[in-house]
Order: sequence, then C-alpha cells, then structure tokens
Amino acid sequence: DVKVTQSSRYLVKRTGEKVFLECVQDMDHENMFWYRQDPGLGLRLIYFSYDVKMKEKGDIPEGYSVSREKKERFSLILESASTNQTSMYLCASSFLGGALTEAFFGQGTRLTVV
Amino acid sequence: AQTVTQSQPEMSVQEAETVTLSCTYDTSESDYYLFWYKQPPSRQMILVIRQEAYKQQNATENRFSVNFQKAAKSFSLKISDSQLGDAAMYFCAYRMYSGGGADGLTFGKGTHLIIQP
Repeated sequence: DVKVTQSSRYLVKRTGEKVFLECVQDMDHENMFWYRQDPGLGLRLIYFSYDVKMKEKGDIPEGYSVSREKKERFSLILESASTNQTSMYLCASSFLGGALTEAFFGQGTRLTVV
Repeated sequence: AQTVTQSQPEMSVQEAETVTLSCTYDTSESDYYLFWYKQPPSRQMILVIRQEAYKQQNATENRFSVNFQKAAKSFSLKISDSQLGDAAMYFCAYRMYSGGGADGLTFGKGTHLIIQP
C-alpha cells in the first residue's frame, strides 16, 4: 500500500515561530504537494515539487516555503507563523507519468497558531 | 485559471437511497481530468472515481458513477444504495492535461454528505 506520512497530526505553535511540517512517501513518487484545507474553502494548493530540489508555487504560496532535499521527503516551512495560518495541512504525492495519475494523501496536520 | 464549483455545501439521504452530488468547472482547456475524492472523519482523502475528458463514456466504480457533460462543464457523482460508510466530505477536483502530470489538483469547496439510518 502507498503510504504518505505526515510527522504530526496536531501541532500548536506560537506566533512568530518557525514551523516545519514534514511529509514522507514510500512509493518513489516524483510529484509531491502541499495543500491547505479550510472549512468552506476546500483544498488550496500551496506548493508542489516534481523532482528533488525543484519547487513550483501553487495558488497560495505567500507566507510559506518548501524544501525537497530527498525524493521521498517534502517539507513545508512557515518562516514566521501567524494566526491566519491556523489550518489543516495535507500532503500528497503521485507519479509524474500522466495527469490521470492518482494522488495519494497523508492524514493531515491540524496546525493551531496562538 | 481553472475553478471548480460545488453548489451543495451539505446533502442528506436515507440509507439505501440514491444521491447525486453536483460539480461544475470552468476551463479553457480541451484535455483534462476530473476526480471525486472522499474525506471521512478520519481525514484520509480517498479517490472515489476519475474521468478523462476525452472519453465520452461515464466512469463507474461499483455503486459510484458519474454524469460527465463536457459541453456543460458538469461532472456530477451518483451514489447508489447509500451506506452509512459513505458519510463524508466529497470533493470534486480538476487537473489539466500537462503531459507530465507535474501540476496540482484544483478542488471544489466540498459537499458534506449525511446518511440517515
């Protein structure tokens, strides 16, 4: 079974802290994605990566950065956390070969910034 | 930019009945892919069904089927013989055909499906 693992299910951080959300996949997928999920807004793409050290901005990249040093790991970084970044964060991965390829999701990290 | 609209924030259906969830999308592309994902209370997103835009035949997966109307840019999900385990948030998603598939899904805002026993 494909597994996408996010390091924390729940996280509480203080305003101004630097926050790292980690995601690891075990299926040798080229693509990895970070989404933010808010009630009534659905899922919005923050960043994605199709190869090691490559990254592309999604729809809402402001206030976030990412790192992909190894193929299996994709990190989302909040340089200085703010309360409006309180949200559910979902990581996903997929093969590069074709847009019909299914994306597999992690179980999400619910981040609260206080 | 592509947009995906789910006009029903919440739907309720009796167990064993049929329910249809609506989805419309806006795109200028001719080749693209559409998906329905399910998110139960566990938060795990699960792919329900997928459709290639160039295929006229509607996709079917057991009790789940779609009604894909390309000209109308409509992609509804029909769930037959609803079961308690179908209760979840359902998201419609769009992905453009970029050859390599190196781009993300665009999601609708979701429909919360309630199954009444």
